[in-house]
Amino acid sequence: EIVMTQSPATLSVSPGERATLSCRASQSISSNLAWYQQKPGQAPRLLIYGASTRATGIPARFSGSGSGTEFTLTISSLQSEDFAVYYCQPYNNWPPLTFGPGTKVDFK
Amino acid sequence: EVQLLESGGGLVQPGGSLRLSCAASGFSFSYYAMSWVRQAPGKGLEWVSTITGSGGSTYYADSVKGRFTISGDISKSTVYLQMNSLRAEDTAVYYCAKDRYNWNDGDYFDYWGQGTLVTVSS
Repeated sequence: EIVMTQSPATLSVSPGERATLSCRASQSISSNLAWYQQKPGQAPRLLIYGASTRATGIPARFSGSGSGTEFTLTISSLQSEDFAVYYCQPYNNWPPLTFGPGTKVDFK
Repeated sequence: EVQLLESGGGLVQPGGSLRLSCAASGFSFSYYAMSWVRQAPGKGLEWVSTITGSGGSTYYADSVKGRFTISGDISKSTVYLQMNSLRAEDTAVYYCAKDRYNWNDGDYFDYWGQGTLVTVSS
């Protein structure tokens, strides 16, 4: 079973600053990684797939990188609407299908 | 425009049953797998179950295997989750999600419904 860890658990950032979120897999998952954003009371939204490809309609300030076991989601200049919880998810590696524990990005 | 609309959540006693529905529109329903993902209050995301586009294959998390059954009706573009022998730990918001492909040994999810709350309590 692939175990995902995310760090930090909480990231305190000011608007306009850069945010860097990390996701680590317990074994290599190639580039089969997705990132989701979830705001309070809302469903998750797909941001990134294939470790680095932005989903439809996702602003260019969101970027993903990495392969193998180490991955990064970067928000280049945080906007007020970006304060949320971010989850990573490996795929094409069932069983099982898992999500990382999440990183909460909040106001500094 | 892809839309996923869940229904059927509510309050149920431990040991009881509930059936969730997810009506899909805006894409060719039979071409894609559909999944249920849940989120307990204040917790992270947990994959529950997936059904392939044809309905020929189903997959379950160990935590629900033998108690939950996923099914689909292509004519109605609707996926269901029959939940039996419910436990307090099944309390969660249940999201319907569209897989990007047709399973592929586990997919990512490109569209999500708004979720329906299931509360298991006496």
